Amino acid sequence: KQEVTQIPAALSVPEGENLVLNCSFTDSAIYNLQWFRQDPGKGLTSLLLIQSSQREQTSGRLNASLDKSSGRSTLYIAASQPGDSATYLCAMYSGGGADGLTFGKGTHLIIQP
Amino acid sequence: NAGVTQTPKFRVLKTGQSMTLLCAQDMNHEYMYWYRQDPGMGLRLIHYSVGEGTTAKGEVPDGYNVSRLKKQNFLLGLESAAPSQTSVYFCASSLWTRGDGYTFGSGTRLTVV
Repeated sequence: KQEVTQIPAALSVPEGENLVLNCSFTDSAIYNLQWFRQDPGKGLTSLLLIQSSQREQTSGRLNASLDKSSGRSTLYIAASQPGDSATYLCAMYSGGGADGLTFGKGTHLIIQP
Repeated sequence: NAGVTQTPKFRVLKTGQSMTLLCAQDMNHEYMYWYRQDPGMGLRLIHYSVGEGTTAKGEVPDGYNVSRLKKQNFLLGLESAAPSQTSVYFCASSLWTRGDGYTFGSGTRLTVV
């Protein structure tokens, strides 16, 4: 069974800093990995999706990388802003049908103004 | 653009009471899912459906029942609520099962006392 670990569980940094969120997984046989953002009282929004054949994806100030051999993914946020404060979840799809999506527990990020 | 709508948003139940959570999507998605999110546990799949009239068990199905009588609706029932079912419940839908393209509802916060 795929296990997904996110480190750190919580992070607080001053505005403007660059930061890295980490995600590790136990089974390298994945189809894709994605990073979600969750705001309080709202659902999850997909930020970046990396297919298993890709190494990274970029969207604006966000960059996600994938290293299947080491079972790791990182989400890099450049020039952080208070609006980036949220919980970030990593999830991976290991195939097998509709029940193949496994989530990490998330990193709660606070950007101090 | 309604997307995925969950009702109710909040509910307090007494132990032993029953209730039904409603999830409605207007995107003509085939696949629908119910997750629960607990502190320190991440999102866990309760039940899912691969099409109208079908349901299947996820990772934590005990104590819940579901129905998908119409393609756009996915109902989650608790027949006899227990304090262990206190959680935030998320519904999601997707067009396919590749792990991407999920749309999440905003969640239902359920407290069982």
